[in-house]
Amino acid sequence: DAGVTQSPTHLIKTRGQQVTLRCSPKSGHDTVSWYQQALGQGPQFIFQYYEEEERQRGNFPDRFSGHQFPNYSSELNVNALLLGDSALYLCASSPVTQGARRNTEAFFGQGTRLTVV
Amino acid sequence: DAKTTQPNSMESNEEEPVHLPCNHSTISGTDYIHWYRQLPSQGPEYVIHGLTSNVNNRMASLAIAEDRKSSTLILHRATLRDAAVYYCILSSSRGFKTIFGAGTRLFVKA
Repeated sequence: DAGVTQSPTHLIKTRGQQVTLRCSPKSGHDTVSWYQQALGQGPQFIFQYYEEEERQRGNFPDRFSGHQFPNYSSELNVNALLLGDSALYLCASSPVTQGARRNTEAFFGQGTRLTVV
Repeated sequence: DAKTTQPNSMESNEEEPVHLPCNHSTISGTDYIHWYRQLPSQGPEYVIHGLTSNVNNRMASLAIAEDRKSSTLILHRATLRDAAVYYCILSSSRGFKTIFGAGTRLFVKA
């Protein structure tokens, strides 16, 4: 089992550009969450997807959007990049557990390191 | 949203037990307590979680206070590989978001 895979591992973008990050969840997982982790800080929740819909959202502007595909993989899109968007972006997937979805463990990918210059 | 409070850092000697505290005084009745850890240059890794009763697994033990306003992650014998940032997190009853605080950086001395 490959676990949660994210791509790319690193990328550099210029202010104002748009970026798309990709995540493939662990086999058998249908729920994907995205987090932003600034240097030296804990991960901050961006949003969560399951059944191809955004279910929960953290305190992030509309420049951050996402998508989930029928195969449960997910994309995070960030428009009009700012210098402050430079961070490690983490994807986490959770297993399918009927009626107890919120209390299951999450498996994290290694993250995508985004640098905005 | 409920928050957690953890010490910024702790230090332990190798092969000794480590008790990592977490305060969550505003926890809701249906919130679960999760612990994750993050090694350098890696994504967070699940350690353990619980609701009311103490929990044990191969990695650690979780002791939950009777009033649920605090919990303690117990590593029974710290190793150098346990050096990481440990996060105590509440899983919200209103949804599925997980709120990470700053975590506790654990240093393990040989």
